[in-house]
Amino acid sequence: DTEVTQTPKHLVMGMTNKKSLKCEQHMGHRAMYWYKQKAKKPPELMFVYSYEKLSINESVPSRFSPECPNSSLLNLHLHALQPEDSALYLCASSQDRGKGETQYFGPGTRLLVL
Amino acid sequence: AQSVTQLDSQVPVFEEAPVELRCNYSSSVSVYLFWYVQYPNQGLQLLLKYLSGSTLVKSINGFEAEFNKSQTSFHLRKPSVHISDTAEYFCAVSGSGGSNYKLTFGKGTLLTVNP
Repeated sequence: DTEVTQTPKHLVMGMTNKKSLKCEQHMGHRAMYWYKQKAKKPPELMFVYSYEKLSINESVPSRFSPECPNSSLLNLHLHALQPEDSALYLCASSQDRGKGETQYFGPGTRLLVL
Repeated sequence: AQSVTQLDSQVPVFEEAPVELRCNYSSSVSVYLFWYVQYPNQGLQLLLKYLSGSTLVKSINGFEAEFNKSQTSFHLRKPSVHISDTAEYFCAVSGSGGSNYKLTFGKGTLLTVNP
């Protein structure tokens, strides 16, 4: 099973709302990632978790708050977002960091901030 | 630091024609190279990757790419494309240590296969 699942598929939220994105994998991977992808652009790395610890934060605004409750789950908590945060949010996982590991991507959550 | 250049933002071709999507990279360390494909409204899927060994790598659906260290290239080719190959293709590079393990993506090439 090489599947990464993400919920919800679509999300519309106002600038004062609080919402969460969820990502799950059951491949035993120890590295998990959040990416943001704007239309017709490549994915941009936001966060990396390795062995359930945050190892990279790519200077992401604090209105995005990641959480890794266990080795299979990754959440992204959203609060007070701006319209420019509208994008496809992709989760990925890999066996480990580095050394040419393949990252497996989920289908993404398409977020619209009004 | 590493970077990836995909020279063509769009490549239109007719069905059954050959195609080449170009990718050049720069890096100060040894690299691993990837091609990912993104179909409309989906996430990214690994197409193929080069880690070491044979410089020619192949995917199960007929694509192949050749690592050329002297030209710092990793071009993707397919001898005969299908309508279903229409998608965005991203070349990516990661290094072998430190923060270089992060995937750096090119800007993508939209392959459109016309009947």
